[in-house]
Amino acid sequence: EAGVAQSPRYKIIEKRQSVAFWCNPISGHATLYWYQQILGQGPKLLIQFQNNGVVDDSQLPKDRFSAERLKGVDSTLKIQPAKLEDSAVYLCASSPTSGVRYEQYFGPGTRLTVT
Amino acid sequence: AQRVTQPEKLLSVFKGAPVELKCNYSYSGSPELFWYVQYSRQRLQLLLRHISRESIKGFTADLNKGETSFHLKKPFAQEEDSAMYYCALSGLMEYGNKLVFGAGTILRVKS
Repeated sequence: EAGVAQSPRYKIIEKRQSVAFWCNPISGHATLYWYQQILGQGPKLLIQFQNNGVVDDSQLPKDRFSAERLKGVDSTLKIQPAKLEDSAVYLCASSPTSGVRYEQYFGPGTRLTVT
Repeated sequence: AQRVTQPEKLLSVFKGAPVELKCNYSYSGSPELFWYVQYSRQRLQLLLRHISRESIKGFTADLNKGETSFHLKKPFAQEEDSAMYYCALSGLMEYGNKLVFGAGTILRVKS
């Protein structure tokens, strides 16, 4: 089966600009996750969707980050305006549904550099 | 609060030597523990999880609730084991399966 797809793979922007990332999960997967991985750290969950509803967005900086998953398939994550500390790899993952018994499958990530 | 600690940033061993990657966790409920691996230029992928009690690529991990640890072990390291390893935790009774990751350990297997 095709894996999780993400685009773009790399993005360089200046601070205060806006940026958007796209994720296409594995077909049929109801749960979609966005993680932020800052250099030298492990991934940190930003937001989790179950179909097109938000399950957990407790660590999403809502003053500048937003995410949506229209029609319960693809998802976009937006940053507006970007700060230097947003430089990181943004990982999208999907699983068949919620629950610890279901493996999360990760995409290749988008590397964001904010200058 | 959930926390995962991997005390070593880098572990370097010779081929054929035993490997132990350390992971300690802090969690007040019933945890489920995982090891994820990222090989060079590949995606992050699940290596093994406690709930499955399995051995993958010769690796095993035992959950020690008394010591709150989930160390990853392999008796004889191979060069292809060189990668970044992340320990992760999820709450068994929590809705959803949010993963909390440690900072990762680079395993370098020398020939």
